[in-house]
Amino acid sequence: DAKTTQPPSMDCAEGRAANLPCNHSTISGNEYVYWYRQIHSQGPQYIIHGLKNNETNEMASLIITEDRKSSTLILPHATLRDTAVYYCIVRVEGTYKYIFGTGTRLKVLA
Amino acid sequence: DAGVIQSPRHEVTEMGQEVTLRCKPISGHNSLFWYRQTMMRGLELLIYFNNNVPIDDSGMPEDRFSAKMPNASFSTLKIQPSEPRDSAVYFCASSFGRNGNQPQHFGDGTRLSIL
Repeated sequence: DAKTTQPPSMDCAEGRAANLPCNHSTISGNEYVYWYRQIHSQGPQYIIHGLKNNETNEMASLIITEDRKSSTLILPHATLRDTAVYYCIVRVEGTYKYIFGTGTRLKVLA
Repeated sequence: DAGVIQSPRHEVTEMGQEVTLRCKPISGHNSLFWYRQTMMRGLELLIYFNNNVPIDDSGMPEDRFSAKMPNASFSTLKIQPSEPRDSAVYFCASSFGRNGNQPQHFGDGTRLSIL
């Protein structure tokens, strides 16, 4: 069973920030949150991950709440190429296993 | 840098035939994962290896499926005999590190069709 819940779909206007939420209320203290995206027919692409602190890289920012029960992936200036399914994942504690949920289907609109 | 390399990209074969999928992980990575993706079940982990040793194969659906990792740079997933319900996209991923915190990096998959 996936340890995360995400909205099934979202739309975002091109050039605007896309904010994708994720709930992971059962996360434990040493579990990281990972974000991936999958563009049709390609393999999942790693975006970013974090433990407690907010993280930023060239692709996105990750905001994790203080209680770590939820997080938000931010694409600061969405483009049409960001249209994809976005997965938020918490690894099964004590293992290397990811359990993928159904993700959020983000559509960036021109 | 070369990413995870999978071959073939597409495979179409008849029911009952043996199918072998191949994966070359990123150099230096010590964990390797095989996933299957279908419309009905999404992305499922089949098996993963750490330092070439199978750690968890609880996701392997049946005895018809087997996976090997003879060395750090190569792994195979074999289906024998294949069935139409095995049709899916199979992904390989790799990561490095001792505690599993480093992200997994995925290949572009093998699209398998069993007729």
